[in-house]
Amino acid sequence: DAEITQSPRHKITETGRQVTLACHQTWNHNNMFWYRQDLGHGLRLIHYSYGVQDTNKGEVSDGYSVSRSNTEDLPLTLESAASSQTSVYFCASSESTGLGQGGETQYFGPGTRLLVL
Amino acid sequence: AQSVTQLGSHVSVSEGALVLLRCNYSSSVPPYLFWYVQYPNQGLQLLLKYTTGATLVKGINGFEAEFKKSETSFHLTKPSAHMSDAAEYFCAVSVGDMRFGAGTRLTVKP
Repeated sequence: DAEITQSPRHKITETGRQVTLACHQTWNHNNMFWYRQDLGHGLRLIHYSYGVQDTNKGEVSDGYSVSRSNTEDLPLTLESAASSQTSVYFCASSESTGLGQGGETQYFGPGTRLLVL
Repeated sequence: AQSVTQLGSHVSVSEGALVLLRCNYSSSVPPYLFWYVQYPNQGLQLLLKYTTGATLVKGINGFEAEFKKSETSFHLTKPSAHMSDAAEYFCAVSVGDMRFGAGTRLTVKP
């Protein structure tokens, strides 16, 4: 079965360190997304990609970067981790349909819990 | 930009009672609307979505939602709650990117 996986599932790091969270999907979806989930805020979009070599900033992109070198993977990098980036991070993917970039169902990974000390 | 407001961060019902989770949206263009459910330590799963057409949308596990343009609402209902429905529920609106509400935690009492 197709799936979307994230690694690691749990990560503890120190302030100032660079951290990379992996996301891998076997749906063969063009669209991939990174969100962070914080209490009282729901999910907020960090970055997204509509295809290889395409990346776009979301609502809360400061301090994060992504790159898309193939269809399956969209790693999220925290350039210099800050305590404010302690959160649960979710990766999602969706296919491109005739509905345009908006009506497609997003499929979510299990999440990565990141603690920045 | 589009946005979503979920009324009530926590809803508690008895098993067998009606479930009603409220969602209001703001969008300058006709939106796509979604309800997702999140069980503990898991990612989000789609319950149902509205794109076009029939305004009453049926989803998995007996849930349904009605798109009411005049009220800018997309409330989620289930006639009879089950213990297994206890989870966090998120409403989302999508015009381009997707915006989520803050979530409603549903507790089901025996």
